[in-house]
Amino acid sequence: DAKTTQPNSMESNEEEPVHLPCNHSTISGTDYIHWYRQLPSQGPEYVIHGLTSNVNNRMASLAIAEDRKSSTLILHRATLRDAAVYYCILRFSGFGNEKLTFGTGTRLTIIP
Amino acid sequence: EAGVAQSPRYKIIEKRQSVAFWCNPISGHATLYWYQQILGQGPKLLIQFQNNGVVDDSQLPKDRFSAERLKGVDSTLKIQPAKLEDSAVYLCASSGDRDEQYFGPGTRLTVT
Repeated sequence: DAKTTQPNSMESNEEEPVHLPCNHSTISGTDYIHWYRQLPSQGPEYVIHGLTSNVNNRMASLAIAEDRKSSTLILHRATLRDAAVYYCILRFSGFGNEKLTFGTGTRLTIIP
Repeated sequence: EAGVAQSPRYKIIEKRQSVAFWCNPISGHATLYWYQQILGQGPKLLIQFQNNGVVDDSQLPKDRFSAERLKGVDSTLKIQPAKLEDSAVYLCASSGDRDEQYFGPGTRLTVT
């Protein structure tokens, strides 16, 4: 499985935007970029995913570099509820291979 | 829409005892996953079912772990006999036609 590299931890002030980086230099053309987050004492929660183009949804935006070797998850206005571990995962798009290979993620702390 | 249900939420057993976890996925979801999450690490896939067939069990320690998904709905994961290193959170997830996986709250297992 292609691997991703994320900072171990980040801090951000409440009500400010947060940019969470992810490097994936060995990504293949069939890999989707997925982001999940895990709040304390809960199971992971899907955030967003994309292939080549930037993506937006109600939770966040995903900016993908033109060469696809890196991506950035953007939380537009962080709240205390966004404090979580954020995982950047490459997932092969083929059928029957939908497993997610989690790394250690980025622990995001929101400062009130 | 009801989420993924898991029980029990917590379990404490002694080493060499057996334990079973239960998962009820979101209604209509054909794919079901069991993950193991050791403290400080990301979740690791143990087994993936498509309906009641196994798609991937390459990381399941088959000498002590077993899982079944009868009738393609509920699933149970069993450990027999348990070891100290099995202490972890066991997460169940399900997915339907869309890309995202939906996770349950997990079962926290402590082996003493």
